[in-house]
Amino acid sequence: GESVGLHLPTLSVQEGDNSIINCAYSNSASDYFIWYKQESGKGPQFIIDIRSNMDKRQGQRVTVLLNKTVKHLSLQIAATQPGDSAVYFCAEGGGSGGYNKLIFGAGTRLAVHP
Amino acid sequence: DAGVTQSPTHLIKTRGQQVTLRCSPKSGHDTVSWYQQALGQGPQFIFQYYEEEERQRGNFPDRFSGHQFPNYSSELNVNALLLGDSALYLCASSLGTGFTFGSGTRLTVV
Repeated sequence: GESVGLHLPTLSVQEGDNSIINCAYSNSASDYFIWYKQESGKGPQFIIDIRSNMDKRQGQRVTVLLNKTVKHLSLQIAATQPGDSAVYFCAEGGGSGGYNKLIFGAGTRLAVHP
Repeated sequence: DAGVTQSPTHLIKTRGQQVTLRCSPKSGHDTVSWYQQALGQGPQFIFQYYEEEERQRGNFPDRFSGHQFPNYSSELNVNALLLGDSALYLCASSLGTGFTFGSGTRLTVV
């Protein structure tokens, strides 16, 4: 069946370090992947997305890597700041679900320590 | 530019009651999706509305229903509330791909 999961439920990093959040997906037909950040009391906020015809995409301080061979997605945050503390979700679109719905993983909590 | 607006922000209901949640999409968006997010979990897709019709539905019982109005705003209705319906209900609007989420309605069923 379809599922999007995360390897690590909690990640603690020091301010200024780089963070890497990982995600595995099981539906090889999915072709659109998104990372969201969710702060307490707020809805998910779009960070970056990538389509399956790419293996890397960069944004401001963030990079998403897609490895279709092993169905793995990662989010790299450079020079992590206290404001990056939140829960991060990967989500999957396309595939049998089409582009009308997103399938979310359980989330990884990122804690940034000064 | 207002983003996605949801109301109310918090709600407490008794088991067996009915509830209506409301969502105003981001300006320019014509599609509204609803998600349920249980504590400590990722959002789960309930359904999506486009052109005032339910376009796709997730694995939720018929107690969950919705509506989209001509101005693209939407309502989520849940009948015969169960304790397990306690969750954060998120509305996401879109125009094509690219979803913008609201801050959600926190529903507590007691």
